[in-house]
Amino acid sequence: RKEVEQDPGPFNVPEGATVAFNCTYSNSASQSFFWYRQDCRKEPKLLMSVYSSGNEDGRFTAQLNRASQYISLLIRDSKLSDSATYLCVVNLANQAGTALIFGKGTTLSVSS
Amino acid sequence: GAVVSQHPSRVICKSGTSVKIECRSLDFQATTMFWYRQFPKKSLMLMATSNEGSKATYEQGVEKDKFLINHASLTLSTLTVTSAHPEDSSFYICSATGGRVGYTFGSGTRLTVV
Repeated sequence: RKEVEQDPGPFNVPEGATVAFNCTYSNSASQSFFWYRQDCRKEPKLLMSVYSSGNEDGRFTAQLNRASQYISLLIRDSKLSDSATYLCVVNLANQAGTALIFGKGTTLSVSS
Repeated sequence: GAVVSQHPSRVICKSGTSVKIECRSLDFQATTMFWYRQFPKKSLMLMATSNEGSKATYEQGVEKDKFLINHASLTLSTLTVTSAHPEDSSFYICSATGGRVGYTFGSGTRLTVV
């Protein structure tokens, strides 16, 4: 079973739409949680951290449910520039300390 | 903000040769460096974690003799792909943390082995 699972999509939505991405993680010892954004052939960039209390950053809202090991990202009023791959990421202890473990990513395409 | 510089950004090499990729933290001390590999349409897969001055810890299935990692200073880690083969063609990316600096990624290296 993969550590982090996401629906790969693609999600094709018009501008202004609201879109939600879901993610599950298998290791209950996961310590912290993030959403990253990756544009084609580029490095991933941190979009936001995810907390149990839920957190919002402009049009983006992230939620964490530790009991069900479920993470979500909601994007409101989608923009063309939101087109990218969204990576669900957990911070997990390993033999050398901790490391970020990435999901496969969900591809979003916003069209005009 | 914290910056990690990764070079080269793109490299093409012949099968059987070795390629070295450098990752430098420019404005912080990177006590821990991570090396990832990403195949097309796949997720970033952690290859190894290296703490400065220690041997790297490799993930299961990653050959330590093929992917040599050196992290001899707090600002530099290198990944050497030895005896590269076409199946090693991939996007390699480093990440560094240290002190109050969280995970900071390099811009990645696209390796093509011909």
